[in-house]
Amino acid sequence: GAGVSQSPSNKVTEKGKDVELRCDPISGHTALYWYRQSLGQGLEFLIYFQGNSAPDKSGLPSDRFSAERTGGSVSTLTIQRTQQEDSAVYLCASSPRTSGGAGELFFGEGSRLTVL
Amino acid sequence: SQQGEEDPQALSIQEGENATMNCSYKTSINNLQWYRQNSGRGLVHLILIRSNEREKHSGRLRVTLDTSKKSSSLLITASRAADTASYFCATGRGGGNKLTFGTGTQLKVEL
Repeated sequence: GAGVSQSPSNKVTEKGKDVELRCDPISGHTALYWYRQSLGQGLEFLIYFQGNSAPDKSGLPSDRFSAERTGGSVSTLTIQRTQQEDSAVYLCASSPRTSGGAGELFFGEGSRLTVL
Repeated sequence: SQQGEEDPQALSIQEGENATMNCSYKTSINNLQWYRQNSGRGLVHLILIRSNEREKHSGRLRVTLDTSKKSSSLLITASRAADTASYFCATGRGGGNKLTFGTGTQLKVEL
């Protein structure tokens, strides 16, 4: 596709349920990022994938959060046993940058998660 | 605290005026970027300035970087109602590719 695609755009779930959020990056982009944005707040870094390297998971807030990237393309962010504080917009971004520091990120429209 | 912190948190101006937003950061960086976010949407990249650059222009945007003060400013000249959005700075550190975002400035441009 032309841009970063995220699904679902909106997800309402009950506390304790697991959710999966999907990100389809721009074709050819080797770097993929997940961020979380709570209402009216800045972006909180969650995880970063670069090619075949081990991901930087330093931003994942707890072991209930995990992410994978299959075949260097599509990524799935999984939140297990969701809590109300997990409610936020989850943003995915991709970048063609491979080295020399972070370059321009291309963002999806986000997945808005509401945990009741 | 955030690596990047913008001020002011909110700014309201009249169309045609200039808008200036500032960003401060704490550690050394290899570049600093500015992004825009319309309400409820994803972020859009505006401009990237490298640590060895002091000023950069793009259309009505002017970005400055002062690494000695660990600060950057974004100037939007001749603002338009369509510029109403939140603006975030983001910093990349060292040789890594992790990009850390600030808390954002909410800009409102009134007709």
